[in-house]
Amino acid sequence: NAGVTQTPKFQVLKTGQSMTLQCAQDMNHEYMSWYRQDPGMGLRLIHYSVGAGITDQGEVPNGYNVSRSTTEDFPLRLLSAAPSQTSVYFCASSYNFGGELFFGEGSRLTVL
Amino acid sequence: ELKVEQNPLFLSMQEGKNYTIYCNYSTTSDRLYWYRQDPGKSLESLFVLLSNGAVKQEGRLMASLDTKARLSTLHITAAVHDLSATYFCAATNYGGATNKLIFGTGTLLAVQP
Repeated sequence: NAGVTQTPKFQVLKTGQSMTLQCAQDMNHEYMSWYRQDPGMGLRLIHYSVGAGITDQGEVPNGYNVSRSTTEDFPLRLLSAAPSQTSVYFCASSYNFGGELFFGEGSRLTVL
Repeated sequence: ELKVEQNPLFLSMQEGKNYTIYCNYSTTSDRLYWYRQDPGKSLESLFVLLSNGAVKQEGRLMASLDTKARLSTLHITAAVHDLSATYFCAATNYGGATNKLIFGTGTLLAVQP
């Protein structure tokens, strides 16, 4: 019963480096999304996808790219990391949009 | 643009007391969700409210939705220490032009023994 799996759990980057946060779900969910969580700001939606090959921007998409080549995977790419991207990132999925959202364990990213 | 506000942001209460967390949203929302997050952990789904007047209860928590007032409440009855956590509400314009689930800033609940 893996559910939503995120890797890595922790990562430290230097400013300007790039990296990819991985997210995979084994529940055959169509809807997947990425959030970032910062103190006092709640969770803010970065990007989301309603199915393979379809992605769209959320509230705070700048500095992040996503793709959805398969139903299972929804990676989040940081092209050139900035200290403002220091945060905890959560991937979440649901059977379809509007359904109960299942969250991964989170990835804590620090950009120096 | 849909915005979600919760209050209070922080709530300290004694065991055995009752209290309510409020969640207001700015535009039409067909669905309202409540989640719980323990420190350093992921989010756990508590309730999904699907229509005006919906009420759901589990244990000491009861959630309700008033779509006309654009308000959802999470009522805590006879609080116990185990309920200490951060509670988030989230709203969406289901069936609208976008498929965004927008979260509030969260309410940190600390139940004192």
